Amino acid sequence: AQSVTQPDIHITVSEGASLELRCNYSYGATPYLFWYVQSPGQGLQLLLKYFSGDTLVQGIKGFEAEFKRSQSSFNLRKPSVHWSDAAEYFCAVYGQNFVFGPGTRLSVLP
Amino acid sequence: DGGITQSPKYLFRKEGQNVTLSCEQNLNHDAMYWYRQDPGQGLRLIYYSQIVNDFQKGDIAEGYSVSREKKESFPLTVTSAQKNPTAFYLCASSIGGYSYEQYFGPGTRLTVT
Repeated sequence: AQSVTQPDIHITVSEGASLELRCNYSYGATPYLFWYVQSPGQGLQLLLKYFSGDTLVQGIKGFEAEFKRSQSSFNLRKPSVHWSDAAEYFCAVYGQNFVFGPGTRLSVLP
Repeated sequence: DGGITQSPKYLFRKEGQNVTLSCEQNLNHDAMYWYRQDPGQGLRLIYYSQIVNDFQKGDIAEGYSVSREKKESFPLTVTSAQKNPTAFYLCASSIGGYSYEQYFGPGTRLTVT
């Protein structure tokens, strides 16, 4: 069975600092990988996705993610965080079915 | 504008009552999904439908029912059999099967007292 872990429940960064959110998955082959963002009380918005090809993918809002097969990881990065990036971030994996990670809550200090 | 509409945003019901949550999409997507979200947990799949008049149970279907009579509509009924119905419910759709990225509605927060 496939699974997704996001080791960090809550991360706090200062505005302007860099950000990396971790995502690890368990699946026998290369899955499809996604990152979503959710503002409080709202639905989820797709940030970026990886299906195949270049392992560094660019998304919306200045986010990027890198697929590392050897580490079964798909970490999300942003070079300079803005206060509006404060939200919940979910990694999701499609292998045999669609599975979401538990989420990482990002707080941004002014 | 294309998108997914969920109504109402907030819903309050008394214990023992069935309640139906609406989900409509005008994206011309074939597949639709219902998820439940509880604090500190990821999304858990309740039901999904890949074509009209067909749907499958997800991981936590007990106490819920759905219908898919039209491509654009996928209502979810939370029945009195659902032991802990208070949650945030999210509807999503995708252009094709399960492997495609899903687009989400704004959600409905259901409170049962």
